[in-house]
Amino acid sequence: QVQLQESGPGLVKSSETLSLTCTVSGDSISSYYWSWIRQPPGKGLEWIGYIDYSGSTKYNPSLKSRVAMSVDTSKNQFSLKLNSVTAADTAVYYCARVTYYYASGPWGQGTLVTVSS
Amino acid sequence: QSVLTQPPSVSGAPGQRVTISCTGSSSNIGTDYDVHWYQQLPGTAPKLLTYSGNNRPSGVPDRFSASRSGTSASLAITGLQAEDEADYYCQSYDSSLSAWVFGGGTKLTVL
Repeated sequence: QVQLQESGPGLVKSSETLSLTCTVSGDSISSYYWSWIRQPPGKGLEWIGYIDYSGSTKYNPSLKSRVAMSVDTSKNQFSLKLNSVTAADTAVYYCARVTYYYASGPWGQGTLVTVSS
Repeated sequence: QSVLTQPPSVSGAPGQRVTISCTGSSSNIGTDYDVHWYQQLPGTAPKLLTYSGNNRPSGVPDRFSASRSGTSASLAITGLQAEDEADYYCQSYDSSLSAWVFGGGTKLTVL
């Protein structure tokens, strides 16, 4: 069964770049779209965007100017970069597979990224 | 403010039926975009519960069912169990925002 695991720094300084990687096991990254979703502490979910194996992307317009996603098919990984971060970007960041009708599932366990001043 | 509006909380006794609403607009649910529902148990990642109407991924019991009408969608849970206590989120696409959007989430308490 497919499993996803996020990795990256848990603490990022304000104005710097948040970088996360999602490693996919049990499935080929070439078979689906892959998404990033975040959840500020105690709050709801926010869709960040998705990418396919060829690097084709769709981003949330509210974050588009700061977001970049990439894929490494040789490592079965995809990545997220979010630049010029502020405290408002503090959240648990999840990676997930995009499945039927653009629903997301399964999800990684999530990783908390805190933006410090 | 979320584009999709959910009640902050609902509750029910074991064995009962509860419904969670998700109210949108003509730029999302009302335009017949797919609606998906997720369950987030305490301290865990969300899990896909239903997708595009009343389709359930393998392993999701048929106690969970989804429906839609006009600019709203609903998730019904029958035979309520203690382990159903969780946060539930709806998701759809919004053409005005050109983005997939989530509802604010509903906390289900099993009394």
